[in-house]
Amino acid sequence: GQQVMQIPQYQHVQEGEDFTTYCNSSTTLSNIQWYKQRPGGHPVFLIQLVKSGEVKKQKRLTFQFGEAKKNSSLHITATQTTDVGTYFCAGPGTGKLIFGQGTTLQVKP
Amino acid sequence: GAVVSQHPSRVICKSGTSVKIECRSLDFQATTMFWYRQFPKKSLMLMATSNEGSKATYEQGVEKDKFLINHASLTLSTLTVTSAHPEDSSFYICSARDHRAGGFYEQYFGPGTRLTVT
Repeated sequence: GQQVMQIPQYQHVQEGEDFTTYCNSSTTLSNIQWYKQRPGGHPVFLIQLVKSGEVKKQKRLTFQFGEAKKNSSLHITATQTTDVGTYFCAGPGTGKLIFGQGTTLQVKP
Repeated sequence: GAVVSQHPSRVICKSGTSVKIECRSLDFQATTMFWYRQFPKKSLMLMATSNEGSKATYEQGVEKDKFLINHASLTLSTLTVTSAHPEDSSFYICSARDHRAGGFYEQYFGPGTRLTVT
């Protein structure tokens, strides 16, 4: 069945360092979404990418959708302690979203 | 923005009892709601898709007789964990899609329910 893989599973960085999480789908996606879950919280929608090669920015976060629409990345520049949490990518399945395993980011102050 | 509530936020129950969790879309109508289970430091595991006015669609390996889902209205879905056992202890999260979203699958998540079965 359709799978969405995400790496790395965990990432520890020093505050101020950059961070990137990668998402790969077994099938071509019509769109890809990214969610953030803070510790003890619930997933919150961040962004959706639709076009091949699309790049979107939200302040220090840069989201990219691959040319083949099978992979995506989230890059955070100069991490802050507020960036701590688990980042999930998700692609549309049949009537549902298929979530990646998530990348948990820890930021050392 | 779209808000989804869940009740209760935490529940502790004894083994063998049943627990009902409510998921409500507060400011939009949701023809489809989703129920997830999340273990500590793990990803979201989709349990079932709840459709208003029809039977839920369960994912492979999820017991429909144990996890009863009712989507009685466009703003309410309930998950009942029947005859709960300690292994059912988990974080249960619901999400909802705005029925006007069409092909846009953005989901709004509830705050989750922490179930502990003793």
